[in-house]
Amino acid sequence: EVQLLESGGGLVQPGGSLRLSCAASGFTFSNYAMSWVRQAPGKGLEWVSLISGRGGTTYYAGSVKGRFTISRDNSKNTLYLQMNSLRAEDTAVYYCAKAIYYYDIEYWGQGTLVTVSS
Amino acid sequence: QSALTQEASVSGTVGQKVTLSCTGNSNNIGSYDVGWYQQISHGAPKTVMFGNSLPSGIPDRFSGSKSGTTASLTISGLQPEDEADYYCSTWDYSLSEGVFGGGTKLTVL
Repeated sequence: EVQLLESGGGLVQPGGSLRLSCAASGFTFSNYAMSWVRQAPGKGLEWVSLISGRGGTTYYAGSVKGRFTISRDNSKNTLYLQMNSLRAEDTAVYYCAKAIYYYDIEYWGQGTLVTVSS
Repeated sequence: QSALTQEASVSGTVGQKVTLSCTGNSNNIGSYDVGWYQQISHGAPKTVMFGNSLPSGIPDRFSGSKSGTTASLTISGLQPEDEADYYCSTWDYSLSEGVFGGGTKLTVL
C-alpha cells in the first residue's frame, strides 16, 4: 500500500523558513517523480514543484521560484521542500504527491499546514 | 486566474449522467493527458482519472475523454458519495509548470 506522510508544517513569521518532509512507502521511491501541491484556505489546488525520480530535474511554479527548493533522498525514501522568504500568501496545506508517469499524480498525502503570520 | 477553466458548479440527481469540462490551450491540454482529482469536504484529494485510465478502486462510472483543448470527466449513474470538488490538471510546456483548473463543485440533488 502506497503511503505518503508529510511533516514539518507549522506557524512561521513572514520572511522565515521551513522545511517540509514527505516519507514515502509502499513503492520503489526512486522510480517515480514526485510533486508538491498546495491549497490556500478556501481556495483551489495550486501546483508548486516537481522533481524527477533520480532528482536531476526540477521544476517550480513562478510564485515560488527562487524561494523554494525541492529535493529528495532516495536512500531514505523521503521528499523535501525547503521554503525560504515565506510570505503570507504561502499559507496553505501542502500535499506531497506521487506521479504515475511524470507530471501526473497517482497518490496524495494527507497534507501539512503551513501558516505564515506575525 | 487559473490556466485551465472549469465550471464553478454542476449539479445532478442520483442516477443521472453528468459531465465536467476543463478547457485549456495547445500548450497544455492540447499536448498532454489530463488528470482529474476529487476532493471531499477539503480532505486530501484523490485521483479519479488520468487520461482515460481509471485508477484501481475507482468505480467504472467515472470516465475521461479529450477533444482538442478540452478535457471532460463523465460520471454515469451519479451517486450521493460523488458530491465533491473536482479539479483537472496537466502540464504546460510553455510555462514548464503543472497547471490546475479552478475546480468544479459537484452537488448531488
